[in-house]
Amino acid sequence: QKEVEQNSGPLSVPEGAIASLNCTYSDRGSQSFFWYRQYSGKSPELIMFIYSNGDKEDGRFTAQLNKASQYVSLLIRDSQPSDSATYLCAVKDDKIIFGKGTRLHILP
Amino acid sequence: DAGVIQSPRHEVTEMGQEVTLRCKPISGHNSLFWYRQTMMRGLELLIYFNNNVPIDDSGMPEDRFSAKMPNASFSTLKIQPSEPRDSAVYFCASSKGIQYFGAGTRLSVL
Repeated sequence: QKEVEQNSGPLSVPEGAIASLNCTYSDRGSQSFFWYRQYSGKSPELIMFIYSNGDKEDGRFTAQLNKASQYVSLLIRDSQPSDSATYLCAVKDDKIIFGKGTRLHILP
Repeated sequence: DAGVIQSPRHEVTEMGQEVTLRCKPISGHNSLFWYRQTMMRGLELLIYFNNNVPIDDSGMPEDRFSAKMPNASFSTLKIQPSEPRDSAVYFCASSKGIQYFGAGTRLSVL
């Protein structure tokens, strides 16, 4: 069974610090990797995707992919209280599989 | 673009009743997905369609669940008969590479 694992948290990070969210996956054939943010009571919204090994930066967000270690992470620089949400890692080969998410809490 | 539109936003029903959830995907997207989200199980893929054709329904819990996509702009997820354990938030998403989610339907089966 293909799995995507995330620490459920909550992960508490002081405002202005770097938040680091991690995800591991079981299927070595996975090709595409996504990070979604979900506020309480809302739907998931895509914030980053990455296909190749290495880093991909978009504003305060950096996605990191290491296919050899089957590991993908999301870094949020200069964390803001508005970043407090659940972050879902998703991995796609023939179909997309979501992790259960990590709850992030930014402390003002 | 209006995004993925789901209706109703909230549904409260009694056990044994039929429930129909509706979804209008983003125009031009050729894939449509139905998910169920609960605290215990997270976000689970129930079924997805490519060009209106069901591709993978292995996530559909049991025969009480059925989904249709009669055309490129409309899909339904039906539960008949509904049970209390079906209570969850049901999301529809559409994709032309990257998935975009609707606002969801919060279903409560009493």
